[in-house]
Amino acid sequence: QSALTQPASVSGSPGQSITISCTGTSSDVGGYNYVSWYQQHPGKAPKLMIYDVSNRPSGVSNRFSGSKSGNTASLTISGLQAEDEADYYCSSYTSSSTLEVFGGGTKLTVL
Amino acid sequence: EVQLVQSGAEVKKPGESLRISCKGSGYSFTSYWISWVRQMPGKGLEWMGRIDPSDSYTNYSPSFQGHVTISADKSISTAYLQWSSLKASDTAMYYCARTMVRGVNSDYWGQGTLVTVSS
Repeated sequence: QSALTQPASVSGSPGQSITISCTGTSSDVGGYNYVSWYQQHPGKAPKLMIYDVSNRPSGVSNRFSGSKSGNTASLTISGLQAEDEADYYCSSYTSSSTLEVFGGGTKLTVL
Repeated sequence: EVQLVQSGAEVKKPGESLRISCKGSGYSFTSYWISWVRQMPGKGLEWMGRIDPSDSYTNYSPSFQGHVTISADKSISTAYLQWSSLKASDTAMYYCARTMVRGVNSDYWGQGTLVTVSS
């Protein structure tokens, strides 16, 4: 069982917006502004999309945004495009001995 | 250009030892952590641990502590992940990633090394 809880799957039509949640505890998501989101296409390495809850690395589309409320972080993708279809993982710093934990991943399907 | 290049795929038998590598280039190797992440077939990402190449200080996930060793040779900008006795359950893709000193931002990733352990 993953330390952070994500929905197994979400879907949306091109042009729509979707939100993926990532729920943890006060020891990880809720306690620190160190949440990252990664996109992974099949057979490829993960790609950093959001860091420190809501910051976008250079080169990442502004259609991707992140936020946090309490123990739940969220990734929102607006103006869905076919190329957004991928697996998405959240990650958080944790005060436990693990230091970093991932969510179980969410498969995004663009209908 | 920042790059992390990992060693090639490996096929091993249970009980054998293995070391895979991750060579960084295009940046100051000692200014960032190197993290290792496991992805078992069809499964999600799992954080294994990380190393500070400047002094080889390491942190491990309790799930992997004692079963793998993370090391680095800063003179050749290379980090390593090694096993002394592989199990079939170690079959997975292993990624290295450049991780910011503050937080958990891994902004560059290696291409992955597939390790297959089978008798």
